[in-house]
Amino acid sequence: QQPVQSPQAVILREGEDAVINCSSSKALYSVHWYRQKHGEAPVFLMILLKGGEQKGHEKISASFNEKKQQSSLYLTASQLSYSGTYFCGTVGNTGGFKTIFGAGTRLFVKA
Amino acid sequence: DTEVTQTPKHLVMGMTNKKSLKCEQHMGHRAMYWYKQKAKKPPELMFVYSYEKLSINESVPSRFSPECPNSSLLNLHLHALQPEDSALYLCASSQGGLVGQGETEAFFGQGTRLTVV
Repeated sequence: QQPVQSPQAVILREGEDAVINCSSSKALYSVHWYRQKHGEAPVFLMILLKGGEQKGHEKISASFNEKKQQSSLYLTASQLSYSGTYFCGTVGNTGGFKTIFGAGTRLFVKA
Repeated sequence: DTEVTQTPKHLVMGMTNKKSLKCEQHMGHRAMYWYKQKAKKPPELMFVYSYEKLSINESVPSRFSPECPNSSLLNLHLHALQPEDSALYLCASSQGGLVGQGETEAFFGQGTRLTVV
């Protein structure tokens, strides 16, 4: 089942922060985050494997609440290069370890 | 080399044509995937190969036929497609086999933009 992402779209000014949420109706093995720019391939950001795990990469970090079957992606002090569509991909505990992507969150950062 | 290479980049085909999409990776990844992506939609899983064996087929119509000749190559054979099959077809790979898909990142190719006329 497809995870639910929110918000669907967000517009930021450079330097502002954003949070993108991803929730699943089933137990999760892991959560993956990708960013896709228009006309390009999705690019990996991070994977969260354990409940409560938080990971960070520069000013982008994420958390995974296994109990709530939710993950959040945090973008701090956004840059113009952060613009794109963010997808969370969830891998369930059953069903063959396949990644199902959420509908995506369109992020636009303006100067 | 951390690239997944897909050819061709663009393909226009008629509904009676037979064509193939190709995907290649030299990262030693043992899982390879085909995804279909429509405009403004997320990638939708079609097939997964794990250690060169088809492990997941997401009920894809038989007009799409995957093939994994060896651990570095993945093909998608197309025959008698419909206009609604027009989309971006993405190939991806990741380390490990079936379980590894849940634990490691997937590297995506740039895709083949397919138009069926």
